Amino acid sequence: SQTIHQWPATLVQPVGSPLSLECTVEGTSNPNLYWYRQAAGRGLQLLFYSVGIGQISSEVPQNLSASRPQDRQFILSSKKLLLSDSGFYLCAWLDRATRGVGYTFGSGTRLTVV
Amino acid sequence: GENVEQHPSTLSVQEGDSAVIKCTYSDSASNYFPWYKQELGKRPQLIIDIRSNVGEKKDQRIAVTLNKTAKHFSLHITETQPEDSAVYFCAASTPRFQKLVFGTGTRLLVSP
Repeated sequence: SQTIHQWPATLVQPVGSPLSLECTVEGTSNPNLYWYRQAAGRGLQLLFYSVGIGQISSEVPQNLSASRPQDRQFILSSKKLLLSDSGFYLCAWLDRATRGVGYTFGSGTRLTVV
Repeated sequence: GENVEQHPSTLSVQEGDSAVIKCTYSDSASNYFPWYKQELGKRPQLIIDIRSNVGEKKDQRIAVTLNKTAKHFSLHITETQPEDSAVYFCAASTPRFQKLVFGTGTRLLVSP
């Protein structure tokens, strides 16, 4: 069965520190992968998506970057965190073979920048 | 790009009543419309979805309707229960890359 792993679950980082969040998917190949951010009490904002290894599309200009070094691995990074980077970060995947089941989200990382 | 608007932002109902959440989308090429339920501190969970070739879909107490001409779709929950209390998000996806664009969410509160 397909599963998605996301870690860490919570993170408190000082302003100006680097960031690396990792997401891996099991039980599927060649998935679409996505990073979303949800500010407190707000909706889901698409940050990046990837349709294959090394293929990254950015949806909004920001202090973050993404990479996909392997088929089932998606990494969200920052060189220097800002206070405004705080939020709930969700990784999601889409099985293009099935298409009709929507996205499956990881359990999320709650990031607090202090 | 696609833009999804969702109303209302909050909805309070009594247990047993029906709840309706409405969304509109802007891109006529969108062809997939899922609804997610998010409980406090948890990840969004898919509860029902509909494709553009279908006008209505029902799953027990939950139904979704789609009007392609008007570019709007709605979530209907009947016989609401306190455990239905959560934030509900609609979303729309275009065929290319299957990017999901979300509405702003509706906080549903079901009072016993």
